[in-house]
Amino acid sequence: DAGVIQSPRHEVTEMGQEVTLRCKPISGHNSLFWYRQTMMRGLELLIYFNNNVPIDDSGMPEDRFSAKMPNASFSTLKIQPSEPRDSAVYFCASSRDFAKNIQYFGAGTRLSVL
Amino acid sequence: AQTVTQSQPEMSVQEAETVTLSCTYDTSESDYYLFWYKQPPSRQMILVIRQEAYKQQNATENRFSVNFQKAAKSFSLKISDSQLGDAAMYFCAYRRGQGGSEKLVFGKGTKLTVNP
Repeated sequence: DAGVIQSPRHEVTEMGQEVTLRCKPISGHNSLFWYRQTMMRGLELLIYFNNNVPIDDSGMPEDRFSAKMPNASFSTLKIQPSEPRDSAVYFCASSRDFAKNIQYFGAGTRLSVL
Repeated sequence: AQTVTQSQPEMSVQEAETVTLSCTYDTSESDYYLFWYKQPPSRQMILVIRQEAYKQQNATENRFSVNFQKAAKSFSLKISDSQLGDAAMYFCAYRRGQGGSEKLVFGKGTKLTVNP
């Protein structure tokens, strides 16, 4: 079974540009999570979906961030416009209801905004 | 709000020895789950072990075991017979029980070094 797949692995962009991060959850999983990891704040949840519906977006920093899950096998996290303080590693994770509540993580996208 | 505290930013252990990583958490919930995740230099977050709060028995996975003290809100990870491949950041995480938010709340992590 393929794990959670994130793309790109690395992204370098300039301030003001739009950035789109992509995630394919594990087949059959119905919850999807976006986390951000920084040295200062550690790992924190940005948003999560259950059955493609956003459930908790309280961690989304501001209106520059948006996330979508158009179907059960794909999600995007978009930052527009990007700022240097958005530089971080962004993780996507997925889980299946009533399956020991285990979240499986992708390899992450390292974003650098210059 | 739930919080998770890992008081040891860094730990080191000799190969084949045993090391214990500490984690405490704060919650008013009675139903929850606790996890330890490992993050090696490759950046991948890997589940090490999982504990359900309603179970008194401590979880074990091969060389990894936990000491879960519910009253003290403590959840330490013991690694026995440490191997070079155990070197990584280790994160303790909390999740509310069924019916609550599914999000994981993480501690700041402990960097484990394994010396040959």
